[in-house]
Amino acid sequence: AQSVSQHNHHVILSEAASLELGCNYSYGGTVNLFWYVQYPGQHLQLLLKYFSGDPLVKGIKGFEAEFIKSKFSFNLRKPSVQWSDTAEYFCAVSPKAAGNKLTFGGGTRVLVKP
Amino acid sequence: EAGVTQFPSHSVIEKGQTVTLRCDPISGHDNLYWYRRVMGKEIKFLLHFVKESKQDESGMPNNRFLAERTGGTYSTLKVQPAELEDSGVYFCASSQGFSGGRNEQFFGPGTRLTVL
Repeated sequence: AQSVSQHNHHVILSEAASLELGCNYSYGGTVNLFWYVQYPGQHLQLLLKYFSGDPLVKGIKGFEAEFIKSKFSFNLRKPSVQWSDTAEYFCAVSPKAAGNKLTFGGGTRVLVKP
Repeated sequence: EAGVTQFPSHSVIEKGQTVTLRCDPISGHDNLYWYRRVMGKEIKFLLHFVKESKQDESGMPNNRFLAERTGGTYSTLKVQPAELEDSGVYFCASSQGFSGGRNEQFFGPGTRLTVL
């Protein structure tokens, strides 16, 4: 069975700081990779996704993620955060072959101080 | 275009009672998924419908949970009888048909269930 690990449960940083959230997965086959975000009071929404091709993926709101196959990692980055990036971030994977159910990491709560 | 909607947004019931959660997917989406997040834990897959058929129900915790999707449109998830450990947020998601495994799921706002 696949599993997803997010390294940090909580991150606190100031505006303009750089953000990097770690995500590692465990699965023997090929996967699709996702980052979802849940802003306070809102529903989960897709931040970015990787299916194939260029391992550096750009998403909405200035976020990007890099798939490193040899490390089974899909870390999320943003060079300069804003207060509005305060949210909970979820890494998720789905096996390409099996119905696309998502396996989520535990989530990382990010608080950006103004 | 309307997104995925869920009803109710909150439900507070007593142990032993029955609760039914409803999910309306995005129109035209054949795939419908249920997930659950118990407090402090990760979001976990419950089951997956393709149209009205259960494609994968490997995540359903036990037989107190019953999901249906009559007619391939909205879905209901019934918990009967509810137990304390069923408390959590139940998410529904939908997606279009598979295309080489590329399947972006759109999530609803969730139903927060509290069992007392």
